[in-house]
Order: sequence, then C-alpha cells, then structure tokens
Amino acid sequence: KQEVTQIPAALSVPEGENLVLNCSFTDSAIYNLQWFRQDPGKGLTSLLLIQSSQREQTSGRLNASLDKSSGRSTLYIAASQPGDSATYLCAVRRGMGNQFYFGTGTSLTVIP
Amino acid sequence: DAGITQSPRHKVTETGTPVTLRCHQTENHRYMYWYRQDPGHGLRLIHYSYGVKDTDKGEVSDGYSVSRSKTEDFLLTLESATSSQTSVYFCAIRRQGGSTDTQYFGPGTRLTVL
Repeated sequence: KQEVTQIPAALSVPEGENLVLNCSFTDSAIYNLQWFRQDPGKGLTSLLLIQSSQREQTSGRLNASLDKSSGRSTLYIAASQPGDSATYLCAVRRGMGNQFYFGTGTSLTVIP
Repeated sequence: DAGITQSPRHKVTETGTPVTLRCHQTENHRYMYWYRQDPGHGLRLIHYSYGVKDTDKGEVSDGYSVSRSKTEDFLLTLESATSSQTSVYFCAIRRQGGSTDTQYFGPGTRLTVL
C-alpha cells in the first residue's frame, strides 16, 4: 500500500517569502504525482501534474519537482501572497492502476 | 472546472437510515471516484467506476455501495448510516488526453450522522 506523507502539517510565513512544501511516498513505482490546493469548505483544485518521467513542472509562481528514487516531491511557492493561504495536498497514482493516494496536506497561512 | 456537481451539499441524518449521494458530470468522462475526507486521514478512496455498470472497491469501501447506470451519474449509498461515516464526501473525475492524466473534484457533500 502506498503511504503518502506531507510535512509540516501547518506552516505560517510572512508575505513575500519563498517557501517549500514537502511530499514523500513509500513506493517509487508511481505513474504520476499531482499537487492540489484546497480552500476551506471547498473542493480540490489541481495545481500541477508531474509524470513519472519528468523532474519538474512550473506554473507561474509554482514549481513542483519529483525525485522518484528517493520518493519525494516538493512544491516551491515564490513570493508568497495572502491569497496563497490554503491547504496543499499531494497525490500519487501508483503504476498504471486507477487508485490515487493522498497525503494529509500542509495548511499554509501567509501573513500580510 | 470539469462540470462536476454533487447533491446534496449538506445532509444531516440519523444512525441506521439509508443515504444516497449523487455525483453528476457533464463531460462524459469514463472514470469517476468517491472519496471521503477526514481530519488526520486526508482523502481516502471509497469506490471508483471505470464505465457504466463497472465499479471497483477502494481503500475504505466497507459500509458503502455504488452504482453507475449512466455515464454522467455516479451514486454513493450508505445502506445503514453510522456515526463513523460522518465526513465530507468528494466526487472526482479523471481527465485523460495527450500528456495529461489528472483528477478534478466536485465541491463536496458534508454528511453528519447523529
């Protein structure tokens, strides 16, 4: 069974700071990894998808990296803004299967 | 936005009663999923479907059943609700095409079992 861990569980930073969120997984036989954002009381919004053959993906101020061999992914957020405050979750799809495994998320607060 | 709606959005029910949650999609995707989200556990897969009348169990399927008689609708049923099934339930679709293979989520249903 794939275990996905996100550390820290909560993070508070001042506006403008660059930050890194971490995601680790136990089984390196993944097909892809996806980062999501969840606002309070809302569903999940897809941020970035990294295929197993890729090392990183970028979208605006977000950059996600993937190191399959070590079972890690990071989400880098540049120049954080109060609007970035949300919970960030990573999910891995194991092999060619249909199941996705989620981490418990990192709750980010960006202080103005 | 992948055209996913869930109904009801909120429901309070009593232990032992049956409950059905509905997920509706407008884009004709083959794969649909039901998850529950609980503090400290993240999202856990309950059941998923890979076509009309084709379903399979996920990680936490006990106490739940699903049905998919039409491509656009995926129903989750709690035959006899228990307090441990109090949770937020999310439906998702899988969008595939080209180099992308991603999930998109509905807004969620908050279920409280008293």
